Amino acid sequence: EVQLLESGGGLVQPGGSRRLSCAASGFTFDSYAMTWVRQAPGKGLEWVSAITGSGTRTYHADSVKGRFTISRDNSKNTLYLQMNGLRAEDTAVYYCAKDLAGDVGGFDYWGQGTLVTVSS
Amino acid sequence: NFMLTQPHSVSESPGRTVTISCTRSSGSIASNYVQWYQQRPGSSPTTLIYEHNQRPSGVPDRFSGSIDSSSNSASLTISGLKTEDEADYYCQSYDRSNQVFGGGTKLTVL
Repeated sequence: EVQLLESGGGLVQPGGSRRLSCAASGFTFDSYAMTWVRQAPGKGLEWVSAITGSGTRTYHADSVKGRFTISRDNSKNTLYLQMNGLRAEDTAVYYCAKDLAGDVGGFDYWGQGTLVTVSS
Repeated sequence: NFMLTQPHSVSESPGRTVTISCTRSSGSIASNYVQWYQQRPGSSPTTLIYEHNQRPSGVPDRFSGSIDSSSNSASLTISGLKTEDEADYYCQSYDRSNQVFGGGTKLTVL
């Protein structure tokens, strides 16, 4: 059974940093790209960042480019999102999602999400 | 970058059929697979359709997906509507370096 468990959310001051983690199990982790998707309160889904299965290529939305970094540790079956320079508009539930293949595409499994609140 | 446009909301009665559209702003709808996700209130999204028209195991065949190159759009059709289908539905596609979501459609079953 595929499981994705996010952690690391919480209250952060504007300008601060936070690292999210997503522990994966139930599939061959390094064979699949992984993605972070966020959802601001009362809003729709927004793609944030993606990383290929090997970790050699990463992609970021323009809204987070230069501030967020996606990475993965295939030896630990864990996906990360390092968030720096956080802004109020980054407040959202952050979901990790398993891609259908090794590179950018669609998703078949989602985690339960972790809430990041950026506020003073 | 392209955009995916969905109707903000749709409503239909139980037992009826509803179709939700998703129009791609630029580039061919057929050039990259379209997926559909369901999100019930307070829950994470789940995958309903992948690769235009494929259903993951466990998704009822009441849900179907298609694309129409003439209108450059994708569609999610739900037949035999049930009250439990009331949820937000999102289409999603991608290009070489971006993944794009539609704005979401709120389905009301009344």
